[in-house]
Amino acid sequence: DAGITQSPRHKVTETGTPVTLRCHQTENHRYMYWYRQDPGHGLRLIHYSYGVKDTDKGEVSDGYSVSRSKTEDFLLTLESATSSQTSVYFCAIRDSTTNEKLFFGSGTQLSVL
Amino acid sequence: DAKTTQPPSMDCAEGRAANLPCNHSTISGNEYVYWYRQIHSQGPQYIIHGLKNNETNEMASLIITEDRKSSTLILPHATLRDTAVYYCIVRANTGTASKLTFGTGTRLQVTL
Repeated sequence: DAGITQSPRHKVTETGTPVTLRCHQTENHRYMYWYRQDPGHGLRLIHYSYGVKDTDKGEVSDGYSVSRSKTEDFLLTLESATSSQTSVYFCAIRDSTTNEKLFFGSGTQLSVL
Repeated sequence: DAKTTQPPSMDCAEGRAANLPCNHSTISGNEYVYWYRQIHSQGPQYIIHGLKNNETNEMASLIITEDRKSSTLILPHATLRDTAVYYCIVRANTGTASKLTFGTGTRLQVTL
């Protein structure tokens, strides 16, 4: 257990509503990542963060925004959810102090109806 | 980060060695090879990593070719619990930010 938790674990929402997913870590790591996973696409990077208030886009960032106001929390927001954003979302932290391993959360299953 | 190529799927009989290949022909001198696996719907789990020497831990062995353009993850005695998707990624351990992209990996099916 790398001290990473995602919330909520499951969420069902309607098209057009805002949704925020939370990733919380207790390890004080600098780097955090949000991925989505869909059948046939593997893991695709949405956004990542390299410090408080420092974020950058990944390969599938359209329709998503992120915020990192403190080291332990990395929030992913869907401003206006669409059915194409139905997916499993994984947060990861990178241990840059030793061997650069990634530790993943348990995932959030999001369904947009 | 260098791009990797893996076969989409492989089968292995329980108790036999599973050898999962990965091509990374554009790897740079300072890039490491990392392997992760994802069991069913869980988050991916770190397995092993290496730079140019072969590595072994309690989970697996990693064989990297001398030119570093490919590698093989070896599960010496595969069990049904090793059925998973295995991802190979390469990246530099520079401590800087990087996008850390995953491909679609290899789906390993271990059978009786």
